Amino acid sequence: KAGVTQTPRYLIKTRGQQVTLSCSPISGHRSVSWYQQTPGQGLQFLFEYFSETQRNKGNFPGRFSGRQFSNSRSEMNVSTLELGDSALYLCASSPGLPPGEQYFGPGTRLTVT
Amino acid sequence: GIQVEQSPPDLILQEGANSTLRCNFSDSVNNLQWFHQNPWGQLINLFYIPSGTKQNGRLSATTVATERYSLLYISSSQTTDSGVYFCAGGGHSGTYKYIFGTGTRLKVLA
Repeated sequence: KAGVTQTPRYLIKTRGQQVTLSCSPISGHRSVSWYQQTPGQGLQFLFEYFSETQRNKGNFPGRFSGRQFSNSRSEMNVSTLELGDSALYLCASSPGLPPGEQYFGPGTRLTVT
Repeated sequence: GIQVEQSPPDLILQEGANSTLRCNFSDSVNNLQWFHQNPWGQLINLFYIPSGTKQNGRLSATTVATERYSLLYISSSQTTDSGVYFCAGGGHSGTYKYIFGTGTRLKVLA
């Protein structure tokens, strides 16, 4: 069974721009979670989706948003990028039983200049 | 919210040594996982262990849910064990998110 995939793997953006990251979960998994990892703040929960509904949201500004499609694929968007948004963004999928064992993708490394 | 503490923050071992990593939770969790993060950032699942004990080769883990802690044991360590180990707890208070600890950075010397 294929693992969690994330695209793109690397991204360089300029302050003020917006970015969209994509995550495809393991086949059959209905829950997708997003995390941000930075050296200063560690791994922080962004949000979790199950059957196209956001069930939980972390403590991030409204510039961070996400959605899930009917095929369970998920996207997250960051608008008006700031230098502090430079991070590794990790996506995890789980079968959906709350919360269940999570499996992580390789991540998208975003650099904001 | 729930706090997750990991200890020690850093650990240096000689190849062949054993080690114990600890994870404490400030509140009860229904799910608990241990991960190893490789140098490329990928989080590798080690154990899904809400309670009890599991073993996988040289690694084993024990979670005592009633006392809100989990332990990861690494025996006969190898240089390939180097990296950062995270524990994460989820399912607390009916939520659907995992809270991660700050990690233990392990370096195994040849």
